[in-house]
Amino acid sequence: TQLLEQSPQFLSIQEGENLTVYCNSSSVFSSLQWYRQEPGEGPVLLVTVVTGGEVKKLKRLTFQFGDARKDSSLHITAAQPGDTGLYLCAGPNTGTASKLTFGTGTRLQVTL
Amino acid sequence: DTEVTQTPKHLVMGMTNKKSLKCEQHMGHRAMYWYKQKAKKPPELMFVYSYEKLSINESVPSRFSPECPNSSLLNLHLHALQPEDSALYLCASSLRQTYGYTFGSGTRLTVV
Repeated sequence: TQLLEQSPQFLSIQEGENLTVYCNSSSVFSSLQWYRQEPGEGPVLLVTVVTGGEVKKLKRLTFQFGDARKDSSLHITAAQPGDTGLYLCAGPNTGTASKLTFGTGTRLQVTL
Repeated sequence: DTEVTQTPKHLVMGMTNKKSLKCEQHMGHRAMYWYKQKAKKPPELMFVYSYEKLSINESVPSRFSPECPNSSLLNLHLHALQPEDSALYLCASSLRQTYGYTFGSGTRLTVV
């Protein structure tokens, strides 16, 4: 079973601060996805990283895929209250490509 | 149309009731999924349909019965549920695994 462990589990910061969320596994993934989920809603895809060492930027969010494709990180610069939510990394299961393994999740709260 | 539409948004049902959750997408995605999500936890896969055929059943109890009438629709029939089945039920679709999933807003189910 491929597991994705996220850290920290919970993060409470003030507006304007920077933060990094980590997604780690002992298994190699062909790609990793990052989602953000707001309360009562479904997860929304933020980005997919495919190549080891890849860095993608989405406005104030920077995503990195580890060289060995076993880990990924999400860095948010100057966090805003609108960034509040549950952040989930996810990767396709090697054995069963149709199955997506979700990480344990990081709950982010940004206050004024 | 880049959405996955789920109905109803909220559902309260008794343990002897029969109800159905509906999911619809018009993006031409050929894979559709049902996930269950408990509070403060990541989504858990229940079923995967690929080209309208059930390809994965994650040992889900028979009181949950999926149906895929055509490539745009996915239903989840519920019968004789237990209070512990109360959760957010999410439908998703994807073109290919590496392209990421599009999730619906979910159905908040309460079993009384």
